[in-house]
Amino acid sequence: AQSVTQLDSQVPVFEEAPVELRCNYSSSVSVYLFWYVQYPNQGLQLLLKYLSGSTLVKGINGFEAEFNKSQTSFHLRKPSVHISDTAEYFCAVSSSGGSYIPTFGRGTSLIVHP
Amino acid sequence: ETGVTQSPTHLIKTRGQQVTLRCSSQSGHNTVSWYQQALGQGPQFIFQYYREEENGRGNFPPRFSGLQFPNYSSELNVNALELDDSALYLCASSLQGVKSVEQYFGPGTRLTVT
Repeated sequence: AQSVTQLDSQVPVFEEAPVELRCNYSSSVSVYLFWYVQYPNQGLQLLLKYLSGSTLVKGINGFEAEFNKSQTSFHLRKPSVHISDTAEYFCAVSSSGGSYIPTFGRGTSLIVHP
Repeated sequence: ETGVTQSPTHLIKTRGQQVTLRCSSQSGHNTVSWYQQALGQGPQFIFQYYREEENGRGNFPPRFSGLQFPNYSSELNVNALELDDSALYLCASSLQGVKSVEQYFGPGTRLTVT
């Protein structure tokens, strides 16, 4: 079984500032890792995923994440945020050798202030 | 390419009633997964269908059931509704059954049980 902990329920930040959303996971097997974004009244959209290879993963909208196996973390970063980045962000983990059904964290609300 | 669509967008039901939610997969996808997202929580996996067969199930009681049709569209049925069933129900489609890694989410159906 896997689990995901998103360490911050809410992250306020000013426009054009950098941001990091933290995610830690627990699993006894090799994993795939994902970050999704959910805008108000919408479904989830995949931002980026780590399957294998380079531990630094680049996604859409200028986001990137780094897989750290020793710290079991997959933190999401963006060097300069925009008002339109205000949304709910979900980290998810799935087993790399099974049904690939993801387990989601509880989400982090990113609030970008002008 | 048509994305994942869900209907209805919103609905209100009374405790004890039954409800059916519908999902149309993204073109070319043969797998559908359903998730329940309670307010302030991450999505919780209900079940997955691949080629019209249930292919995995989360920790939900039998009154949650589903169907997948030959055109890969899907239904989620919930009997004997309870107040705690109030949530956003998300459908996600993917390709190649249990080996599919990336899921594409619909906008969801907001169910309110009174």
